[in-house]
Amino acid sequence: KNQVEQSPQSLIILEGKNCTLQCNYTVSPFSNLRWYKQDTGRGPVSLTIMTFSENTKSNGRYTATLDADTKQSSLHITASQLSDSASYICVVIRNYQLIWGAGTKLIIKP
Amino acid sequence: EPEVTQTPSHQVTQMGQEVILRCVPISNHLYFYWYRQILGQKVEFLVSFYNNEISEKSEIFDDQFSVERPDGSNFTLKIRSTKLEDSAMYFCASSEREPAGFSEKLFFGSGTQLSVL
Repeated sequence: KNQVEQSPQSLIILEGKNCTLQCNYTVSPFSNLRWYKQDTGRGPVSLTIMTFSENTKSNGRYTATLDADTKQSSLHITASQLSDSASYICVVIRNYQLIWGAGTKLIIKP
Repeated sequence: EPEVTQTPSHQVTQMGQEVILRCVPISNHLYFYWYRQILGQKVEFLVSFYNNEISEKSEIFDDQFSVERPDGSNFTLKIRSTKLEDSAMYFCASSEREPAGFSEKLFFGSGTQLSVL
């Protein structure tokens, strides 16, 4: 079954700390994987897009990794800021379909 | 940066009433989408639209739903007879080419929160 599982479900960290969010998928065939940031009550915003051949991609303080062999991806946030509080959603593309994860809710505390 | 705009931001309606949710996609984009997200749940695909016709739709998008591009800028989602379970945040999105293509970006609007009473 084509699924995208994210962990943890929620995470609370102190401002300035780093964190890593996980995404495991069973989607096949795989086209690309995306991480989105969704602020509460807003639409998702694209952070990174990674194809099969890419292992790492960065966007400022956000770094995504992809291991296509183990079907795992991670999103690392460095030096967290209060504005990083949001849900982070992993999406895997399969045959023009977007398979959405449930997201990790990240809360940054001052 | 160009953005997708949606109106209204909140819509409250009685069960059985018709609602129209409106979206203005980014001007040079050719593909348009509607998604919905029930509170606390995953984003769900409803429909994709290209060249003035539906290119794909999900099981959720039944006969109660319809989409239209009435002019060169607006893209609307109509729910003919709303049900309680239609209560959700509805997101419009657009892309220059299909989002599932190589490294394509999908731009989302801020959503319309629909509450069916």
